[in-house]
Amino acid sequence: GDSVTQMEGPVTLSEEAFLTINCTYTATGYPSLFWYVQYPGEGLQLLLKATKADDKGSNKGFEATYRKETTSFHLEKGSVQVSDSAVYFCALSGDGGYQKVTFGTGTKLQVIP
Amino acid sequence: GAGVSQSPSNKVTEKGKDVELRCDPISGHTALYWYRQSLGQGLEFLIYFQGNSAPDKSGLPSDRFSAERTGGSVSTLTIQRTQQEDSAVYLCASSGQDGLAGVRPTDTQYFGPGTRLTVL
Repeated sequence: GDSVTQMEGPVTLSEEAFLTINCTYTATGYPSLFWYVQYPGEGLQLLLKATKADDKGSNKGFEATYRKETTSFHLEKGSVQVSDSAVYFCALSGDGGYQKVTFGTGTKLQVIP
Repeated sequence: GAGVSQSPSNKVTEKGKDVELRCDPISGHTALYWYRQSLGQGLEFLIYFQGNSAPDKSGLPSDRFSAERTGGSVSTLTIQRTQQEDSAVYLCASSGQDGLAGVRPTDTQYFGPGTRLTVL
């Protein structure tokens, strides 16, 4: 079945550092790929998505590129801020009859001033 | 409403009691999903509704768990005879329709704030 593997956290970075959170997936067909973010005390919200190979999703300075050849969707940001501290979930949506979403286990990011 | 709402936000119960968790999806969203997020774990899919029917119940962990949806809107997740391992945050999400593909739900899910269930 479908699965998502993302790097374990927590990840601790200083403000303005470069961020990479790795995510790889296993799925049949052509899934859509997502990054969701969960800020402290809040619900999950969509950060960005990509629906086909080589697409780049971007939002709030975060980017991720759909790499079918490496089955990866790594999240990057050039300069993190304290306000980016949250848990980040990589996810995929299968291309079957409905878009059941499979989530990774989440990576906690802590940005220190 | 503007977003997905869930109630209660927190629920503490004793082992063996039944609990009901409620989800109000975004108005007009036909697809509704329940997930469970245990401490230190990812999101575990429980059940998917399209309208009032549940074509995928594969994630319900046991027959103590059930869910229904009425009027294509509100959904209730019921856990009978709760156990301590049921303690988790229960999340609800909804999604709308992809107009180009008819009734197929779009793949972007909008999440509620969750219900934190603690079973003593």
